[in-house]
Amino acid sequence: AQSVTQLGSHVSVSEGALVLLRCNYSSSVPPYLFWYVQYPNQGLQLLLKYTSAATLVKGINGFEAEFKKSETSFHLTKPSAHMSDAAEYFCAVSRGDSSYKLIFGSGTRLLVRP
Amino acid sequence: DAEITQSPRHKITETGRQVTLACHQTWNHNNMFWYRQDLGHGLRLIHYSYGVQDTNKGEVSDGYSVSRSNTEDLPLTLESAASSQTSVYFCASSDGQGANYEQFFGPGTRLTVL
Repeated sequence: AQSVTQLGSHVSVSEGALVLLRCNYSSSVPPYLFWYVQYPNQGLQLLLKYTSAATLVKGINGFEAEFKKSETSFHLTKPSAHMSDAAEYFCAVSRGDSSYKLIFGSGTRLLVRP
Repeated sequence: DAEITQSPRHKITETGRQVTLACHQTWNHNNMFWYRQDLGHGLRLIHYSYGVQDTNKGEVSDGYSVSRSNTEDLPLTLESAASSQTSVYFCASSDGQGANYEQFFGPGTRLTVL
């Protein structure tokens, strides 16, 4: 069965600092992986997705993530944090077969200090 | 533009009452999903549907039901609301074609059961 672990329920960075949000997955088959962002009082919005093409995936708002099969990781990074990046971030995995369900991690809240 | 809407956005009800949350999408997507979001749990799947007349239970389906009579709508019904069902509910859809597993989310419904 698939599962997703996000290390750190809260991450705090200074504006301009590197953002690193960690996601590890378990999957018995090659996974499809996603990062979603949720701003306060809004629904989830797709940041980026890995679908077995390039292992380094670029998303919106300057975010990117690297799929590392050997480490079963899909960490999200951004070189320089902006105040507007403050939000909750969710990693999700899909088996990539006819089951279209996504399994979500418990989320990481990113705080950006001025 | 295509979109996914939820109504109401906020609902307060009493224990034991029946409540229905609406979800409507104009993407013409085959797949629709209902999640609940609770602190520390991320998003948990309640029910999902892969097409008209198809419904399936997710990991936390007890006390909830859905029906799919057309492509656009998947209403979620709480048969007899309980305080444990106080949560934020999100509806999502995906087109279910090929390898496209991205889900699009509605803005959410905040339900309080007193």
